[in-house]
Amino acid sequence: DAKTTQPNSMESNEEEPVHLPCNHSTISGTDYIHWYRQLPSQGPEYVIHGLTSNVNNRMASLAIAEDRKSSTLILHRATLRDAAVYYCILRSGNTGKLIFGQGTTLQVKP
Amino acid sequence: SAVISQKPSRDICQRGTSLTIQCQVDSQVTMMFWYRQQPGQSLTLIATANQGSEATYESGFVIDKFPISRPNLTFSTLTVSNMSPEDSSIYLCSFRRGHQNTEAFFGQGTRLTVV
Repeated sequence: DAKTTQPNSMESNEEEPVHLPCNHSTISGTDYIHWYRQLPSQGPEYVIHGLTSNVNNRMASLAIAEDRKSSTLILHRATLRDAAVYYCILRSGNTGKLIFGQGTTLQVKP
Repeated sequence: SAVISQKPSRDICQRGTSLTIQCQVDSQVTMMFWYRQQPGQSLTLIATANQGSEATYESGFVIDKFPISRPNLTFSTLTVSNMSPEDSSIYLCSFRRGHQNTEAFFGQGTRLTVV
C-alpha cells in the first residue's frame, strides 16, 4: 500500500482557513486520495476524497497536485469543533482497504 | 448518514479471558472491517470481513487470536482471545455500502482494558 506523509501537528486560529498538506509520492494511477478525521473519543469520519481533480463539499476542499504526488485539505473557516486528527489515506482501487498513517493533529485556537 | 453501533462500548477484562465485540449496521453492507487503535496511536487494520467467506487478516494478526464472524450482511463480531495487557486498545468496526471508493463509516469503538 502506498504511503502518505503528513506533518505531526498544526495550529490554526478560529475562523481562519487551514491548509493541511499530504505527500504521496508513490501514488499509483488507481489510488484515490481520501481524507478522514477523528475527533476526540470518536471513530474516524469521512471528510472528502478525489482522484485527479480538485473536489469541494460542505466540509472541505481537496486540492490535488497535477502530478498527484501531493494534496492539500482545505478547511475554509476553522472552528473549535474542527480540532481533530486528520488522516490522508491512499485507497487502493484494487483492495479498497483504508490503511491509516499517523495523521496531523490540528489544534484550533480561539 | 448511516447507523453503526458497537457493543460493549468499554470493558475491563481479566488476562487469559476472551471478549467478543459486536458490530451492528442499519442496512446490508458488503464489506466490513475491524481496526485496532492502541493508546495514542493511529488505526491499524486487523481484518476484512465479507459475508459468507473467511475473514482476510492483515500481517501480524491471526485468526486464532482475533476470530471474526460475519453471519449476515448487517452484523459482525470480533473476539479478542486469551487476552493480555498488550491487547488493551480501542477496537473499531467499519463498513462501506457499495463500491470500493465510497465513504467508510466507523463505529464509536470498544475501549478494552486488560488487567
